[in-house]
Amino acid sequence: ETGVTQSPTHLIKTRGQQVTLRCSSQSGHNTVSWYQQALGQGPQFIFQYYREEENGRGNFPPRFSGLQFPNYSSELNVNALELDDSALYLCASSLVGRGVSEKLFFGSGTQLSVL
Amino acid sequence: SQQGEEDPQALSIQEGENATMNCSYKTSINNLQWYRQNSGRGLVHLILIRSNEREKHSGRLRVTLDTSKKSSSLLITASRAADTASYFCATVPIGAAGNKLTFGGGTRVLVKP
Repeated sequence: ETGVTQSPTHLIKTRGQQVTLRCSSQSGHNTVSWYQQALGQGPQFIFQYYREEENGRGNFPPRFSGLQFPNYSSELNVNALELDDSALYLCASSLVGRGVSEKLFFGSGTQLSVL
Repeated sequence: SQQGEEDPQALSIQEGENATMNCSYKTSINNLQWYRQNSGRGLVHLILIRSNEREKHSGRLRVTLDTSKKSSSLLITASRAADTASYFCATVPIGAAGNKLTFGGGTRVLVKP
């Protein structure tokens, strides 16, 4: 049990729709990262938020956006959903500044299916 | 693209045997971490080894790091059925923006009772 909670656990959307995924970080953590994990692959870094500002982004288009709130909870928004967006979306929190990452605490993920 | 590549992709062993998996990466790193994932759900951090360390132990886990070969290995001794999971290495490349972890494709381990 990491203390990182994600909602919903499962979600089905159709192509072109928009989706918002939510994450509540572990208490005391100030950094949240989002990862996309396609079936049978390792997680791919989407972006990271530190003190409500984006602090690094992976190779994902602008239709992937996020927010971090003052209580360190976070949202991942994906617009104009495509079939390839079907994946497990993982949120991870940590307590770091702008230095090197130490270990991440992951939530159980949201399984998104785009039909 | 993924920084690390695990080998083998899948491993099947009997309970009590040792399981060894390897990870290779491409760029210089600050640290390398191993994570475990059960049934496609959240990942759990197992162990972190820094670039200036060569070996680290945690319970039944032993991790080695060879920065000259850009490779790491994870050894699970005396495996149990509960060790059945996917294991991922993840690196923090030097100079990486946003302190992101870059994961490999994973090794799927099946421990048969």
